[in-house]
Amino acid sequence: GAVVSQHPSRVICKSGTSVKIECRSLDFQATTMFWYRQFPKQSLMLMATSNEGSKATYEQGVEKDKFLINHASLTLSTLTVTSAHPEDSSFYICSATVRTGGWEDEKLFFGSGTQLSVL
Amino acid sequence: EDQVTQSPEALRLQEGESSSLNCSYTVSGLRGLFWYRQDPGKGPEFLFTLYSAGEEKEKERLKATLTKKESFLHITAPKPEDSATYLCAVPVFSGNTGKLIFGQGTTLQVKP
Repeated sequence: GAVVSQHPSRVICKSGTSVKIECRSLDFQATTMFWYRQFPKQSLMLMATSNEGSKATYEQGVEKDKFLINHASLTLSTLTVTSAHPEDSSFYICSATVRTGGWEDEKLFFGSGTQLSVL
Repeated sequence: EDQVTQSPEALRLQEGESSSLNCSYTVSGLRGLFWYRQDPGKGPEFLFTLYSAGEEKEKERLKATLTKKESFLHITAPKPEDSATYLCAVPVFSGNTGKLIFGQGTTLQVKP
């Protein structure tokens, strides 16, 4: 099946630094990529939706200047957490879709996630 | 408001003890319901997609069913390796843009 690769799997950083997370679709070109965050024992919360070559669409309450998303190609999207603070510590997961027809033909694949810990 | 609610929040079973997980939703114009399995520290792994009421899908010890208001994930004779968090999600659309809304998940623990 299709593979979405996410790196790094774990990152620990000091407060105030920026962290970049990469999400790659390895064997398909992704129509759209999504970024989620997940707090312990909670579900996935969508942060933003990005389409290749266009600006990301952020969900309400997500600071676009803090969570920078770049979707430079059909196989790569990056999430940069700028000036990270302890409250940004979370599990970040990307997903990528490929659609060959209508919604019923859309497949959604998830990366393995990145655990961010800000000290 | 579009919403997905899963119950129970946590479930402990003995190996071989069958049970069901529930996912209820309030979405106008349902266009599919997804079930995922998530292991600790990992991204969700796709299990099933259901598109219409009455539809059923099976995979090994899992069977997913769908009605107009809810979906069930039935686990028959579970094994310890079935222990995971099970998530359901429904797509919602704004114009041509679709996104998934997830339930909070059911954490299943199967004891040998």
